[in-house]
Amino acid sequence: DAGITQSPRYKITETGRQVTLMCHQTWSHSYMFWYRQDLGHGLRLIYYSAAADITDKGEVPDGYVVSRSKTENFPLTLESATRSQTSVYFCASRGGAEADTQYFGPGTRLTVL
Amino acid sequence: GQNIDQPTEMTATEGAIVQINCTYQTSGFNGLFWYQQHAGEAPTFLSYNVLDGLEEKGRFSSFLSRSKGYSYLLLKELQMKDSASYLCAVLDSNYQLIWGAGTKLIIKP
Repeated sequence: DAGITQSPRYKITETGRQVTLMCHQTWSHSYMFWYRQDLGHGLRLIYYSAAADITDKGEVPDGYVVSRSKTENFPLTLESATRSQTSVYFCASRGGAEADTQYFGPGTRLTVL
Repeated sequence: GQNIDQPTEMTATEGAIVQINCTYQTSGFNGLFWYQQHAGEAPTFLSYNVLDGLEEKGRFSSFLSRSKGYSYLLLKELQMKDSASYLCAVLDSNYQLIWGAGTKLIIKP
């Protein structure tokens, strides 16, 4: 199906474990983003990517790693999960023009025990 | 620092009109977005303003005043399905989106 998808939709893990959240888009958008959303905060940018093999840090990158070997995929890895990383994670993508609209995936609700 | 302010919560009545305000202080300005987010779902695009004035799109309108650092989203003929959070986001000088915390809109019958 066309669009942007995320998996898993829900994940429970334990402190110290490695977790990878997947994001896949079928629009061939050049830009992809990872956000976290917590109560009382706006969406906060973790990492973004302008194209395959090009990634850059956002506002809150510590504890996260990303890669982008293919245009359509942008996985986010928590190398050693902490309770403070319990959150809802959204992936988004947009076209190449700077003011293009960002389109969001359905989100992954992650709980770190 | 960069800052976007929106009311945390608003309540309105079905069939009425509501205005959700957003004020911003950012390093540069390249446009302002409004998104709607229903509980447990992803944000979805509503509008984009880059020039001063009012943009109308059906029951929803968005206004921008760049000199005042101010925008509002106007929702007319409110329906129960409009109960959601409304997110204001500014594209700054580096073309990064800076997000407000969102306004939760509660519609009462």
